[in-house]
Amino acid sequence: AQSVTQPDIHITVSEGASLELRCNYSYGATPYLFWYVQSPGQGLQLLLKYFSGDTLVQGIKGFEAEFKRSQSSFNLRKPSVHWSDAAEYFCAVEKLTGGGNKLTFGTGTQLKVEL
Amino acid sequence: DVKVTQSSRYLVKRTGEKVFLECVQDMDHENMFWYRQDPGLGLRLIYFSYDVKMKEKGDIPEGYSVSREKKERFSLILESASTNQTSMYLCASSPGGESSPLHFGNGTRLTVT
Repeated sequence: AQSVTQPDIHITVSEGASLELRCNYSYGATPYLFWYVQSPGQGLQLLLKYFSGDTLVQGIKGFEAEFKRSQSSFNLRKPSVHWSDAAEYFCAVEKLTGGGNKLTFGTGTQLKVEL
Repeated sequence: DVKVTQSSRYLVKRTGEKVFLECVQDMDHENMFWYRQDPGLGLRLIYFSYDVKMKEKGDIPEGYSVSREKKERFSLILESASTNQTSMYLCASSPGGESSPLHFGNGTRLTVT
């Protein structure tokens, strides 16, 4: 069965500093991978996704992620964090079932930004 | 923009009550999903549906059922609510197919007392 591990429960960075959120996946075939963000009191919003091709993918709000098959990782990065980036971030892997796509999520990383 | 609307933002119910959580999407999406979100556990899939009147169990279906009579509406039913079902419930939809992203509602926070 597919699974996703986000080893960091909480991360605190200073505004303007760089950010890397870790994600490791377990999946038998080529994975489809996603990062979502959840602001307080909101649903989840898609940041970016990887499904083939270039292993460095660009997303919204200045985020990017790199797929590394050898390390089974899909880490999320941002060069300079803004206070508005404080939120919870979820990595997910997609499994295709007979009836449709099904996402398995990690447990999330809570990002705090210090001014 | 896709809009996924969950009918209630907060609900408080008593143990043993039958509870309905409603979700409506306005983009003619094929797939709809119910997740529950708990601190430290992330999002766990309860049920999903890839067509009207079709449903599949997710990872934690026990104690829940679903109904999809119309394409735009997906209901989650707690037949007899229990305190361990106190949680945030998130509905999502997607057009279907490979790597199609999920669009989420804002969630319903259910408290069972």
